[in-house]
Order: sequence, then structure tokens, then C-alpha cells
Amino acid sequence: DVKVTQSSRYLVKRTGEKVFLECVQDMDHENMFWYRQDPGLGLRLIYFSYDVKMKEKGDIPEGYSVSREKKERFSLILESASTNQTSMYLCASRSPGQEPYEQYFGPGTRLTVT
Amino acid sequence: GESVGLHLPTLSVQEGDNSIINCAYSNSASDYFIWYKQESGKGPQFIIDIRSNMDKRQGQRVTVLLNKTVKHLSLQIAATQPGDSAVYFCAERFFGNEKLTFGTGTRLTIIP
Repeated sequence: DVKVTQSSRYLVKRTGEKVFLECVQDMDHENMFWYRQDPGLGLRLIYFSYDVKMKEKGDIPEGYSVSREKKERFSLILESASTNQTSMYLCASRSPGQEPYEQYFGPGTRLTVT
Repeated sequence: GESVGLHLPTLSVQEGDNSIINCAYSNSASDYFIWYKQESGKGPQFIIDIRSNMDKRQGQRVTVLLNKTVKHLSLQIAATQPGDSAVYFCAERFFGNEKLTFGTGTRLTIIP
């Protein structure tokens, strides 16, 4: 079974802090994704990585950066956390070209910025 | 059905009845569609998919219908059970793209 793990289930940070959210997958997937989930807005893509050290902006990259130094690990960085970044953050992974097209999700990190 | 905004559309169904969750997708160039189920405290899980060259696909207790003319997708769940209570998302993939675009979600509540 594919397993995607996220470093924390709940996180509380102060405005202006630098925040690291870690995601690890154990299936050797090339593609990894970071989403944020807000009620009524669904899942919105923040960043996407299609290989080690490769990244692509998603729909809402402002205020975020990412790092992919190893294939299994994809980190989301909030350089200076703000209250409007309070949200649920979901990481996902998949292998390109695989059918069905399925992204495997982690359990999520609920981040609160005070 | 799904809509943009701060409110999550909700659907309440009696246990044992059938439920239909609707989704309007955005891009006529999308070639692949997926339904995900998200239970409380968990990440979304794949339920069923359908390609744009199909109108209907059936799984175990679930059926997805695709109407490309009006860019509409629906998920039918037969004989609903308490474990079907969750938020359901549709997602579309643009042709040749590795990314998915998700809908806003519908909360399904099964009434015992």
C-alpha cells in the first residue's frame, strides 16, 4: 500500500515565523504535490514537483516555497507565516503515466497561525 | 452540487437510499475525471475515475456519469451506508497535464 506521511497533524505558529511542513512517500513516486484545503474552496494546488530539485508553481504559490532534495521527501515552506495561511495542508504523490490517474494523499496538517 | 464560495454544499440521505452528488467542471479540454472521498481527519481517497470518451462507469455501489455537452459529472452511490458519510470531491485533469483541478466538495450525511 502507498503511504504518504506528513510530519505533523496539528501545528500552531505565530505570525512571522518560518514554518516547515514535511511530506514523505514510500512508493518511489516522481510527482509530489502540496495543496491547501479551505471550506467551500476545495483543494487548491500550491506547488508541484515532478522530480528531485524540479518544481512548478500551482494556482496559489504566493507566500510559499518548496524543496525537493530527495525523491521521497517534499517540503513546503512558509517563509513568514501570516494568519491567512491558517488552513489544512495536504500532500500527495503519484507516478506519472500510471493508470488510473490517482494521487495518493497524506492525512493532512492543520496549521493555525496566530 | 458544487459551487464556489465559503459554504460547503450538503446532502442528507436516509440510510439505504441512493444518493447523487453533482459536479460542474470547468474545462472542455479535460480528458479525465476522478471522484475522491474524504472522511473526517483523513486525506482524500480515490473512489472511481472516468475518461472523457466514456459516458458512464460503474464500480462497487458507485456509478459515475459524464455529460460533456453541459460539462457535468455526477456520482451515484447505491444503498448508502453510515460509512459513506464524508466530503466528496470531483477533480478534472486537462489533457496532457499531470495536475488535477478539484471542485469545492459536497458533504454527504447519512441519516440512520
